Amino acid sequence: LAKTTQPISMDSYEGQEVNITCSHNNIATNDYITWYQQFPSQGPRFIIQGYKTKVTNEVASLFIPADRKSSTLSLPRVSLSDTAVYYCLVGYYGGSQGNLIFGKGTKLSVKP
Amino acid sequence: EPEVTQTPSHQVTQMGQEVILRCVPISNHLYFYWYRQILGQKVEFLVSFYNNEISEKSEIFDDQFSVERPDGSNFTLKIRSTKLEDSAMYFCASSQSTGLGNTIYFGEGSWLTVV
Repeated sequence: LAKTTQPISMDSYEGQEVNITCSHNNIATNDYITWYQQFPSQGPRFIIQGYKTKVTNEVASLFIPADRKSSTLSLPRVSLSDTAVYYCLVGYYGGSQGNLIFGKGTKLSVKP
Repeated sequence: EPEVTQTPSHQVTQMGQEVILRCVPISNHLYFYWYRQILGQKVEFLVSFYNNEISEKSEIFDDQFSVERPDGSNFTLKIRSTKLEDSAMYFCASSQSTGLGNTIYFGEGSWLTVV
């Protein structure tokens, strides 16, 4: 499983766009990049997943360069409720391979 | 949006007692998992389950733990004789099937306090 590196914490203000970058230099060909969000005392919540280029959904965008050695989660116009820990995970997940390895994630604090 | 539901949301138990945590995975999902998170620490994988048997388990999942799918909808985690260090938030999760990029969805968790 590819090791990931992401900032421990980030601060932002309401209404700003937040970009959280994750490094995964040894990503394998079959690996997907998945981001989860976790609020205190709640389960990780799936945000977005991608393999290459750009993926966008109603919550976020995920930018993956051609070499796939990094990825950037983009949260448009954050609000106070986006204060949470964000985890970047890289691997071939799902099915029998459910051993998601969570790191410490990035603690995002959104201020008014 | 379909979701994984867990009960109870919070349970306090005495050391040495048996505890059963219950989960209802998303209805068309076939793979089921348990994770736990000790307060202030990382989310840790415990076990994955498919076709009525364990697919993979971590070293945390020792003989005190067991999982079961007693019927077509529930998935349970049993801790036979709880220890103080079992105090944690336990998350159930499920995914639809095997395949590239399959997504694992988590429940809201059951907070277990062992006293």
